[in-house]
Amino acid sequence: SAVISQKPSRDICQRGTSLTIQCQVDSQVTMMFWYRQQPGQSLTLIATANQGSEATYESGFVIDKFPISRPNLTFSTLTVSNMSPEDSSIYLCSTGLAGYNEQFFGPGTRLTVL
Amino acid sequence: ILNVEQSPQSLHVQEGDSTNFTCSFPSSNFYALHWYRWETAKSPEALFVMTLNGDEKKKGRISATLNTKEGYSYLYIKGSQPEDSATYLCALSTGGGNKLTFGTGTQLKVEL
Repeated sequence: SAVISQKPSRDICQRGTSLTIQCQVDSQVTMMFWYRQQPGQSLTLIATANQGSEATYESGFVIDKFPISRPNLTFSTLTVSNMSPEDSSIYLCSTGLAGYNEQFFGPGTRLTVL
Repeated sequence: ILNVEQSPQSLHVQEGDSTNFTCSFPSSNFYALHWYRWETAKSPEALFVMTLNGDEKKKGRISATLNTKEGYSYLYIKGSQPEDSATYLCALSTGGGNKLTFGTGTQLKVEL
């Protein structure tokens, strides 16, 4: 299996600021995924982070708002830019491993925007 | 946009009760159905990944069934324990690449 860590685990931020969330996997993986769960909503895929190429964003999410870096095969960052209270969510990163059907998730970053 | 629905939204049961939840999904373009357990402040943990119509999987007191033709899956917990308290998520995959579409989850609270 894969062990995934995220930093920070939680943060409280002011409107208009930006926060970068880090995701570290204990093995090399091809794709990493970023999800968010807004209060009362389902986990929703933001983007797929590919090493060596630009991230692929889902409908409704744009690079200017959620820039993603993927500098190597074990690490990715997601930045939530120019935050508003609507960005208050749990943000999770995940990955899949060859030979496994399931995805492995980090523990999440709980963000509150005031 | 895929619509994955779960019911009930929340559930309170007594220790020892058996319970079940439902996940419904569009049956077209089905690839796999995932069940996860998500405890507060922890990583979602995979329970089952099912791909074949009629699949039944079991892990201890928890089991799941899959009907891809009619687009639903049931998760059963036998003899609920307080440590079963969590949010149970189902997610649909419509192809390779591990992209998942999640339901809103069923929040289970098991009381002594």
